Amino acid sequence: GQSLEQPSEVTAVEGAIVQINCTYQTSGFYGLSWYQQHDGGAPTFLSYNGLDGLEETGRFSSFLSRSDSYGYLLLQELQMKDSASYFCASRNNFNKFYFGSGTKLNVKP
Amino acid sequence: DAGVIQSPRHEVTEMGQEVTLRCKLISGHNSLFWYRQTMMRGLELLIYFNNNVPIDDSGMPEDRFSAKMPNASFSTLKIQPSEPRDSAVYFCASSLALGAPGQGGTGELFFGEGSRLTVL
Repeated sequence: GQSLEQPSEVTAVEGAIVQINCTYQTSGFYGLSWYQQHDGGAPTFLSYNGLDGLEETGRFSSFLSRSDSYGYLLLQELQMKDSASYFCASRNNFNKFYFGSGTKLNVKP
Repeated sequence: DAGVIQSPRHEVTEMGQEVTLRCKLISGHNSLFWYRQTMMRGLELLIYFNNNVPIDDSGMPEDRFSAKMPNASFSTLKIQPSEPRDSAVYFCASSLALGAPGQGGTGELFFGEGSRLTVL
């Protein structure tokens, strides 16, 4: 089957670093994406890993290990506006995307 | 580009009524996805199309749900008859289906703002 596991909630303080983990089981796995969703808004794309290793985009980095079926999103220099839900999503070889249940990040001053 | 456009943004209807949700893709995109989001079930993939062809509708909950893509830029999701348990936010998303990992495809889905459906 298809499944993605991520923590339901994480709390961190402004300026800190937080890591959100994701483990997946996806037949025909192609890559792992990360999306951010603020309350009442739509998911927006943050990062994608098609190959093993680290991808860096400003304050956000994402990592993938295919052998471990594992990835993470790293958020540095946390800001209050980073409070949102973060979803990992796996892409399979038919370009089908499955989403995890989301991690609610609470950033405190 | 205006992005993915969904309508209506909000719909309140009574049980048994027909509901039609609409989605306009980003020009040039060739994949279209319909998702439903609820607190209990998260983001569920209902159906997706590649090049106007339905590829996988295994997520469509029941025969009451149907989706069409009459042309390369437009899709509809219809619920007939609607039930209170259909209440959710329905998102459509489009992407450009590209090649294998490392061949330039980012896998980015562009979501519309969603249609919030309430069935009384």
